[in-house]
Amino acid sequence: NAGVTQTPKFQVLKTGQSMTLQCAQDMNHNSMYWYRQDPGMGLRLIYYSASEGTTDKGEVPNGYNVSRLNKREFSLRLESAAPSQTSVYFCASSEGAGSTYGYTFGSGTRLTVV
Amino acid sequence: RKEVEQDPGPFNVPEGATVAFNCTYSNSASQSFFWYRQDCRKEPKLLMSVYSSGNEDGRFTAQLNRASQYISLLIRDSKLSDSATYLCAVNPTGGFKTIFGAGTRLFVKA
Repeated sequence: NAGVTQTPKFQVLKTGQSMTLQCAQDMNHNSMYWYRQDPGMGLRLIYYSASEGTTDKGEVPNGYNVSRLNKREFSLRLESAAPSQTSVYFCASSEGAGSTYGYTFGSGTRLTVV
Repeated sequence: RKEVEQDPGPFNVPEGATVAFNCTYSNSASQSFFWYRQDCRKEPKLLMSVYSSGNEDGRFTAQLNRASQYISLLIRDSKLSDSATYLCAVNPTGGFKTIFGAGTRLFVKA
C-alpha cells in the first residue's frame, strides 16, 4: 500500500507564480487534509475535506485553494505565491473525523518561495 | 495561550533511560488525543491514541489527565531509534480540526 502520496517533493517558486500540490490516498479514506509545518509552530490546518464533494477552511486558508477531485485526490493550489508561504506542506487522510482515527500523512512537499 | 503546548526540549537521555513528555491543552471540552512521532525531514506518524483510562504499547505509555488538562507520553528503556520529535495532537470538538503541538525533540545517546 502506498498510503498517501504527495507530489512534488520539492519546489522552488518565484513570488507571484502559481502551482498545485497533488495528493492521493489509496486507503479508501473519506477525509483529507492539508497542513503546513513551520519551525516552532507545529502543524497548522489549511483546508480539509470531510468527504468527497466538500471542502472547508482550516486555521490558515488565506492564499490557498483546494479541490477534492474524487475520493482519492485532494489538491492544494497557490494562486500567487508569497515568501510567507515557504513551508513544508503535508497532506493527510483519515477514515472519518480525525477525532476518532488519527491521520496518515504523506511524505511532504518542501516549498520555497523566493 | 496556545491551544496545545509542548516543551520543545531537547531531551537528551542515555540508552535505557525512562523519559516522559507532557502536552497541555486549553480547551477543557477536548475529546480526542494522540501522540505522533516525526523523524527529521519526514512526515508525522501516528504513535498512539490516548484514552481516558490510559494505554500502553510496549515501551510506550500514554495517559490523560483531564483535571489538569494535559496528556503525557512515557518511554521506558529508551533506544537510539527513539530519537525523534514527538508531537501531541488534540481534537477539541470531535470534528475535523485536530490541533498539533509544535513537538518535543528527544535525543537518545549511547
